[in-house]
Amino acid sequence: NAGVTQTPKFRVLKTGQSMTLLCAQDMNHEYMYWYRQDPGMGLRLIHYSVGEGTTAKGEVPDGYNVSRLKKQNFLLGLESAAPSQTSVYFCASTTGLAGAWEGTDTQYFGPGTRLTVL
Amino acid sequence: GQQVMQIPQYQHVQEGEDFTTYCNSSTTLSNIQWYKQRPGGHPVFLIQLVKSGEVKKQKRLTFQFGEAKKNSSLHITATQTTDVGTYFCAQSKTSYDKVIFGPGTSLSVIP
Repeated sequence: NAGVTQTPKFRVLKTGQSMTLLCAQDMNHEYMYWYRQDPGMGLRLIHYSVGEGTTAKGEVPDGYNVSRLKKQNFLLGLESAAPSQTSVYFCASTTGLAGAWEGTDTQYFGPGTRLTVL
Repeated sequence: GQQVMQIPQYQHVQEGEDFTTYCNSSTTLSNIQWYKQRPGGHPVFLIQLVKSGEVKKQKRLTFQFGEAKKNSSLHITATQTTDVGTYFCAQSKTSYDKVIFGPGTSLSVIP
């Protein structure tokens, strides 16, 4: 059981280039999330998905697109990278059983992708 | 909108000293989660608090949820070098809402 995996681990882009980050989970989780982490700002939600074929915007969606064609995969795309998108990107997943009780699903995080845009 | 505050931002302690971080919200919460992130690692879930005034313990870690469900604290007794990392609280207004993470408290432990 690999949990949540992310590809690639590191990437350097030039301004204007595009790339796709891949997140995969083998826990049969319904919900998946993309966060970015910048120093002193914690984790900010970019986009999320509550099921295959669905996506929704988070706190900081501008400049990113996502797709969830298969339940186990959640892709994050940067169409035209900017230096402001230099960050560490984390993917997370949850079972999607939120609401069944007062609590909130535990988030399982991937190891992260460190992206630098020059 | 919902705001999450954590204090302090940084804390340096001598090994063996106690440590406390506080998490405050501008709104009443359904629950609070705490995560730990080691340097270079990813956030790992520690615990979730749901009930008003709830206190939970994990070995040397004590977590508390305020009576008004607007704040929470994490206390570590007799810190060890293995406690080094950033501690995040994560909040949601209801169990259906997205989780909002605080900015984190970075703990350094001096041996």
